[in-house]
Amino acid sequence: KQEVTQIPAALSVPEGENLVLNCSFTDSAIYNLQWFRQDPGKGLTSLLLIQSSQREQTSGRLNASLDKSSGRSTLYIAASQPGDSATYLCAVQRNNNDMRFGAGTRLTVKP
Amino acid sequence: ETGVTQSPTHLIKTRGQQVTLRCSSQSGHNTVSWYQQALGQGPQFIFQYYREEENGRGNFPPRFSGLQFPNYSSELNVNALELDDSALYLCASSSGLRTDTQYFGPGTRLTVL
Repeated sequence: KQEVTQIPAALSVPEGENLVLNCSFTDSAIYNLQWFRQDPGKGLTSLLLIQSSQREQTSGRLNASLDKSSGRSTLYIAASQPGDSATYLCAVQRNNNDMRFGAGTRLTVKP
Repeated sequence: ETGVTQSPTHLIKTRGQQVTLRCSSQSGHNTVSWYQQALGQGPQFIFQYYREEENGRGNFPPRFSGLQFPNYSSELNVNALELDDSALYLCASSSGLRTDTQYFGPGTRLTVL
């Protein structure tokens, strides 16, 4: 059974700091891994998607890496801003149709 | 291009009642997935519909059922509501099975009293 874990559960940093969010999964037979952002009470916004054959993806200040063999992914946020404050969720899609999500990391960036 | 929309935004029901939640998929998308997100947790997969047929189901009892219509919009029905059904219900649409990105709607917040 696929389990997805995100560490830390919450993180508070001053503006401008670079930070890393971690995601681990137990079953390496994944189709892809995706990082989402969720603002309080809202839906999910896809940030980055990494196919199982890829090692990383970049978008602006965000960089996500995937190490399928060790069951790990990291989301790197450079030069954090208060607008980055949100919950960040990682999800793995297996070779069927459901996505398994972690519980998320709640990020607060203080001005 | 219209994004994924869900209705209603909020809903309050009492235990034992039935509820129907609605989702309009993004233009051109034929696949809709439904998720339940309890407070402080990640979303959990309920089921997926592809071209009006159920195409996979998570660990949810049969009182959770769904439909997809010819225009690819979808409904989630929950019978015999329980207190633990209180959650944010999210739908996501995509342009095919196991495709690159699922686009999520804003969700319906269901409270069961």
